[in-house]
Amino acid sequence: GEDVEQSLFLSVREGDSSVINCTYTDSSSTYLYWYKQEPGAGLQLLTYIFSNMDMKQDQRLTVLLNKKDKHLSLRIADTQTGDSAIYFCAEEGYGGATNKLIFGTGTLLAVQP
Amino acid sequence: DTGVSQNPRHKITKRGQNVTFRCDPISEHNRLYWYRQTLGQGPEFLTYFQNEAQLEKSRLLSDRFSAERPKGSFSTLEIQRTEQGDSAMYLCASSLGARAYEQYFGPGTRLTVT
Repeated sequence: GEDVEQSLFLSVREGDSSVINCTYTDSSSTYLYWYKQEPGAGLQLLTYIFSNMDMKQDQRLTVLLNKKDKHLSLRIADTQTGDSAIYFCAEEGYGGATNKLIFGTGTLLAVQP
Repeated sequence: DTGVSQNPRHKITKRGQNVTFRCDPISEHNRLYWYRQTLGQGPEFLTYFQNEAQLEKSRLLSDRFSAERPKGSFSTLEIQRTEQGDSAMYLCASSLGARAYEQYFGPGTRLTVT
């Protein structure tokens, strides 16, 4: 079955880099995603990576994909207090009438000033 | 505001009552999705509409749940005879294309069943 796993909590100091890890099980996923969720706000798509890529960089965000190990990571450079949120990785699930998102359990990132 | 909107934002109800939530997608988005997010978990897919047709339902959607999209625009999700286990955030998303990265999420409706 499809299952996406993440560590529950990460605490970093402002200015440091944060690395949030994720493992997934569906090797047929074409796209893998990172979302951010702040209290009272909806899910915000941060970035995504196509499965034939190893790395994608977007400003302070770097996504690394290891397809062999089914491991995805999100690195946030120069982490700010505004980055404090829950981060979800997600894979694109196939089958049925539509592509759907299969989310991990989320990692709570706490940024200490 | 041209994003996905959901109403109400919060709903507190007693066990056994019926509740209905509404989602207004981005105009012209023909695809609409409902997800449920329980505390400490990621969102889980519930159901999918293309225009007014409900094309897929998750096995999470018990018989007490019904969703409609009568004119292919807004959608409603009704829960009958609510149970405490129904307490969750109900998220709606809409898209024009089929890829998951095209889904835009609303702010959600938080349901608390007492």
